[in-house]
Amino acid sequence: EPEVTQTPSHQVTQMGQEVILRCVPISNHLYFYWYRQILGQKVEFLVSFYNNEISEKSEIFDDQFSVERPDGSNFTLKIRSTKLEDSAMYFCASSDPGTTSSYNEQFFGPGTRLTVL
Amino acid sequence: AQSVAQPEDQVNVAEGNPLTVKCTYSVSGNPYLFWYVQYPNRGLQFLLKYITGDNLVKGSYGFEAEFNKSQTSFHLKKPSALVSDSALYFCAVPGVTGGGNKLTFGTGTQLKVEL
Repeated sequence: EPEVTQTPSHQVTQMGQEVILRCVPISNHLYFYWYRQILGQKVEFLVSFYNNEISEKSEIFDDQFSVERPDGSNFTLKIRSTKLEDSAMYFCASSDPGTTSSYNEQFFGPGTRLTVL
Repeated sequence: AQSVAQPEDQVNVAEGNPLTVKCTYSVSGNPYLFWYVQYPNRGLQFLLKYITGDNLVKGSYGFEAEFNKSQTSFHLKKPSALVSDSALYFCAVPGVTGGGNKLTFGTGTQLKVEL
């Protein structure tokens, strides 16, 4: 069964450093997402991406964050200058586009645990 | 704004007993609702969704959910719980437009099934 993969599984970085989290979505999916989950809290939406551009982003997704689909398979989240409060589990997800009257489920990767020291 | 609420942080049930994990929703327009499960150190796995039609939705691993419009609820149920069902369960609702869209999750309910 196809699945979303993410690398690395755990990333430790110093405050102020740049990090890139990588994801390989399911191959025939067209929508891509990043979510994060701070320890003990709920899963929060960061950004969605379709047709090579951001389709929606949350207030968390400020200028320090960026996303890119550099080739036909990878989808990346970059944090330019990490802060302590960026420490969280970051999940990538992908989905079929669905229709205007239907919603297709999103498939999530196993996550990358980011620790900012 | 679309939102869901999970009133219970934790639910404890004995193996073999029925389980219910509660979710209520607040949406504009027709409700579309999802349940996801998160096992320790794993990503979220899709369990089931309500789009339209029958109020009882069947999903993965023997789970089902009952949509109740008058009570604005979408409770997750299973007739006979297993220890392996112990996990964190999230109710979720998509945004107001179709196609790909962000999910807004509830705060999660930790299910603990004991022997």
